[in-house]
Order: sequence, then C-alpha cells, then structure tokens
Amino acid sequence: NAGVTQTPKFQVLKTGQSMTLQCAQDMNHNSMYWYRQDPGMGLRLIYYSASEGTTDKGEVPNGYNVSRLNKREFSLRLESAAPSQTSVYFCASTERGEWETQYFGPGTRLLVL
Amino acid sequence: SQKIEQNSEALNIQEGKTATLTCNYTNYSPAYLQWYRQDPGRGPVFLLLIRENEKEKRKERLKVTFDTTLKQSLFHITASQPADSATYLCALERRGGADGLTFGKGTHLIIQP
Repeated sequence: NAGVTQTPKFQVLKTGQSMTLQCAQDMNHNSMYWYRQDPGMGLRLIYYSASEGTTDKGEVPNGYNVSRLNKREFSLRLESAAPSQTSVYFCASTERGEWETQYFGPGTRLLVL
Repeated sequence: SQKIEQNSEALNIQEGKTATLTCNYTNYSPAYLQWYRQDPGRGPVFLLLIRENEKEKRKERLKVTFDTTLKQSLFHITASQPADSATYLCALERRGGADGLTFGKGTHLIIQP
C-alpha cells in the first residue's frame, strides 16, 4: 500500500496563477483533510471531507477550494495564488470513528512569487 | 478558542537519557490527545493516542501521560537515541466535535551522542 500520495512535490507559482494539488489514499478511508504548515504556526486545517460527496471548511479556508472526486481522491485548488499561500501543504486521511488517527502524505511545497 | 502550547525552543538531550516533552492546552476538554513525530521534509507520523479516562499509555520506549485537571500531557522517550531526533507534535480533536485535529506547533528534539 502506498498510503497517502500527493502531487506535485514542489511547485513555484506567480501571484495570480492557479493550480490544483492532488491527493489520493489507498486505505479505503472515509475522511480526508488538507492542512498547511508554516514556520511558527504549526499545522492548520484548511478543508476536510468527512465522506465522499461532502466537504467542509476548516480553520483557514479563504483562498482555497476543494473537490472530493471519489472516495480515494481529494484535491485542493488555489484559484488565484497569493504570496501568503506560500507553505507546505499536507493531505491526510482517517477511518472516521471515535478516535481519529490521521495518516499524512509527504507534502507539497508551494512557493508563490 | 482552543489553544495548544508546546515548548517552541529546541530540546537538547544526551543519548541514553529520558526526554520529556510537554503539551498544555486551554479552553477545551478533549476526549483524547495524540502525539505525532515529524522528520524534516516529511509528513507527520502517528505515535500514540491517549483518552481522557486514561492516565498513562506506553509503547516500547514511549510513554504518554494525560492530566485533564492540569490540562497537560507529557511525552517521554526513555533510553533516547540520536534516531529519536525529530519534531514532536501534540494534537487534540477539534472543539465542538468538528472533524480534524488541532495541532500544537511542535517541539524540536535533538538527541546528542
């Protein structure tokens, strides 16, 4: 099992450009999440999907959109990138139950110039 | 809002000694608390989960305590090794039963040979 995979690993964008970060998991998990990690800020939840067909905002959703394409895939889209979105983005998944142990992908490093 | 505090400064420990990391939280009474390990350039990896009705949990050289009165968790690594050097993250369920986790900023642990 590959676990949680993310593409691309690294991306450079200019301000105003758009891009989609891809995430897939092969553990048959129902819930998937997008976090961003910034120095001194820790991991912050952007959006999550509790199950296929549903998405909800997390702590810092502004400037992002998500799509739960199917049970395996959960994408994050930046419509008009801003320098403040320079960060490392992590996707995670869990089998939603009473105790949410999350499995993380390797991350996407995004630089917005 | 719920707040999680971990030592922001790096913790230097001599090999073979016990490393103790602290996680304090406010404005919330979580049903459980988790600890993750994160190596440079990688996603967090789950280590241990402790529930509110558990005082202590062990896994090999790792031990976690959970004091709901003090609103504090301690994470111990006994017989520490240089390979234990990493950043350790504390995480709580999000307040109000919302999906996802709230993470502390992490403590960077350095085990010196």
